[in-house]
Amino acid sequence: QVQLQQWGAGLLKPSETLSLTCAVYGGSFSGYYWSWIRQPPGRGLEWVGEINHSGSTNYNPSLKSRVTISVDTSKNQFSLKLSSVTAADTAVYYCAREERSGYYYNMDVWGQGTTVTVSS
Amino acid sequence: DIQMTQSPSSLSASVGDRVTITCRASQSISSYLNWYQQKPGKAPKLLIYAASSLQSGVPSRFSGSGSGTDFTLTISSLQPEDFATYSCQQSYSTPWTFGPGTNVEIK
Repeated sequence: QVQLQQWGAGLLKPSETLSLTCAVYGGSFSGYYWSWIRQPPGRGLEWVGEINHSGSTNYNPSLKSRVTISVDTSKNQFSLKLSSVTAADTAVYYCAREERSGYYYNMDVWGQGTTVTVSS
Repeated sequence: DIQMTQSPSSLSASVGDRVTITCRASQSISSYLNWYQQKPGKAPKLLIYAASSLQSGVPSRFSGSGSGTDFTLTISSLQPEDFATYSCQQSYSTPWTFGPGTNVEIK
């Protein structure tokens, strides 16, 4: 049973860099894409970006200039960095596995979420 | 980006009720549509993928239908554990986008 466990700093000041890591336990790491999704307080889900085991990435254009997603296959981990954060980046951040069955993709396993607050 | 809308934004229902939630895409997305359930303080849970396929372990009272731009999630007989927020998500093209959610509350 695959599980995702995520961690990272929860309180940041404006202009700092958000850094989160997600570890994959109990399942295959290769053959999947791995996503980051965020949810501002009281709002809907926003996809941040994704990476596969080879390091191929896709980012949300709205965040692309500030986002870097990387992978460490030796540890079955992937990470998110978001630079120059502002209060608008305050959200719960989730990591998730993307199941890709043919052309049908979905996020079938999720991490527990990390609350990130940006405040001076 | 493909915009996803949902209606209603919230609803009140009783245990045993049949509940239908609608999701609409800003352009045709064929059947590339997923539904998630989210409870307060918890991560989303995949319910339906490819518009109508039930995720393993999800009760059969949940069903999905639709294609193109209009989709529905139906709960045939609402159970106490079903009170939650439901969100749709398109997987037709990146950036993947989600609907704003429908909050199902106890009547």
